Amino acid sequence: DAGVTQSPTHLIKTRGQQVTLRCSPKSGHDTVSWYQQALGQGPQFIFQYYEEEERQRGNFPDRFSGHQFPNYSSELNVNALLLGDSALYLCASSGDSRTQYFGPGTRLLVL
Amino acid sequence: RKEVEQDPGPFNVPEGATVAFNCTYSNSASQSFFWYRQDCRKEPKLLMSVYSSGNEDGRFTAQLNRASQYISLLIRDSKLSDSATYLCVVSSRGYSGSARQLTFGSGTQLTVLP
Repeated sequence: DAGVTQSPTHLIKTRGQQVTLRCSPKSGHDTVSWYQQALGQGPQFIFQYYEEEERQRGNFPDRFSGHQFPNYSSELNVNALLLGDSALYLCASSGDSRTQYFGPGTRLLVL
Repeated sequence: RKEVEQDPGPFNVPEGATVAFNCTYSNSASQSFFWYRQDCRKEPKLLMSVYSSGNEDGRFTAQLNRASQYISLLIRDSKLSDSATYLCVVSSRGYSGSARQLTFGSGTQLTVLP
C-alpha cells in the first residue's frame, strides 16, 4: 500500500516565478492538507481540500492556491515567488480516521 | 505569542536516560493533541495521540493538562534511535467531516549519545 507521494522532491526557482507541487494521497484517503515548513520551524498549515473544494485555510496570502482532482490528488500553486517561500512543502492525507499521514515533502529553494 | 510553544533544546542525553519534553498551547478550544517525531530532512510521523487520562506506549508516556493547557512527553530508557525532533501538535475542530487543521510547535531536538 503506497503512502503519500509528492513530486518533485526538490525544486529551484527564481523570484517572481510560479511553481506547482503535486501530491497523491494514501489509498482510501479523501482529504489533503498542505503545510509549509521553514528551516528550524514546525510545519504551518496552508489549506485543506476535501471533495475538490478548499475547506480550511491558514494565514497564507492568495499567492498560494490549490486544487483537488476527482481522484483525490492535489496540487499546490505558488505565484510570484519570494525568497521567503523557500521551505519544505508537506502534503498530508487523511481518511475516515482523520489521522493525517505526511508525504516526504518537496524542498523548494527560491533564489 | 505562538499558539504552541516548546523548549527548542537541544537536549543531549546519554543512552538509557529519561527525558521529558513540555509544551503549552494558547487556544483553549483545542480538542486533539499529538506528539509527532521528525527525523532530519524527513516528514513528520505520528508518535502518539495524547489523552486527558494520560497514555503510554512502551517507553513513551504522554500527559495532558487541559486546565493548564500543558502537554508533556516522557521518554524512558532512551535509545540512539530516539534521536529526532519532537513536535507538539494541537488541533481544533475542523468543519464537519474534515480532518482537523494541525498547529505545530517549533519542535524540540533530542540527541541520544552512546
